[in-house]
Amino acid sequence: KAGVTQTPRYLIKTRGQQVTLSCSPISGHRSVSWYQQTPGQGLQFLFEYFSETQRNKGNFPGRFSGRQFSNSRSEMNVSTLELGDSALYLCASSLDWQGATEAFFGQGTRLTVV
Amino acid sequence: DQQVKQNSPSLSVQEGRISILNCDYTNSMFDYFLWYKKYPAEGPTFLISISSIKDKNEDGRFTVFLNKSAKHLSLHIVPSQPGDSAVYFCAGYGQNFVFGPGTRLSVLP
Repeated sequence: KAGVTQTPRYLIKTRGQQVTLSCSPISGHRSVSWYQQTPGQGLQFLFEYFSETQRNKGNFPGRFSGRQFSNSRSEMNVSTLELGDSALYLCASSLDWQGATEAFFGQGTRLTVV
Repeated sequence: DQQVKQNSPSLSVQEGRISILNCDYTNSMFDYFLWYKKYPAEGPTFLISISSIKDKNEDGRFTVFLNKSAKHLSLHIVPSQPGDSAVYFCAGYGQNFVFGPGTRLSVLP
């Protein structure tokens, strides 16, 4: 059974640009969540999607947005990139909404903003 | 405000001995708690969880203890193995996962 797949693995962007990250959950999983990992802040919750609807949102500015498609694949978009957006972005999938089961994480996309 | 705290950024233990990783939380609304392990260049991997109504859960070499009155949980690894060397994240779940900053465990041969 394939795991959670995130693309691309590495990305370098300049300030002011926008970026789109992709996450393909484990087959059959309907919940996808996104997290930002930085050395100082650890893992911080961005948002969760379940059956194409945003279920929950963390404390991030509106520049961070996402969506989920009918096949459960999810994309995360960051507009007007800032240097502080440099981080590892992790996607996690669960069978059901995340309260019911543990989450399986992808390897992440390392975004560097220069 | 950090809802989940892991006050030890790192821990070194001799192979075969017990590793104890600690976690404190402030949010009383968490329904359950989880421990994840993370190797470099990989996503976190689920280890073990405990419901907020339990005080202990065991899975092989891993045992998690929950003390609700102290808002404290701990992960015990016995015996520790070099392959256990990784960063361990404690997480609480209420409406979403809230992770601690992690503790880097080094198991020395």
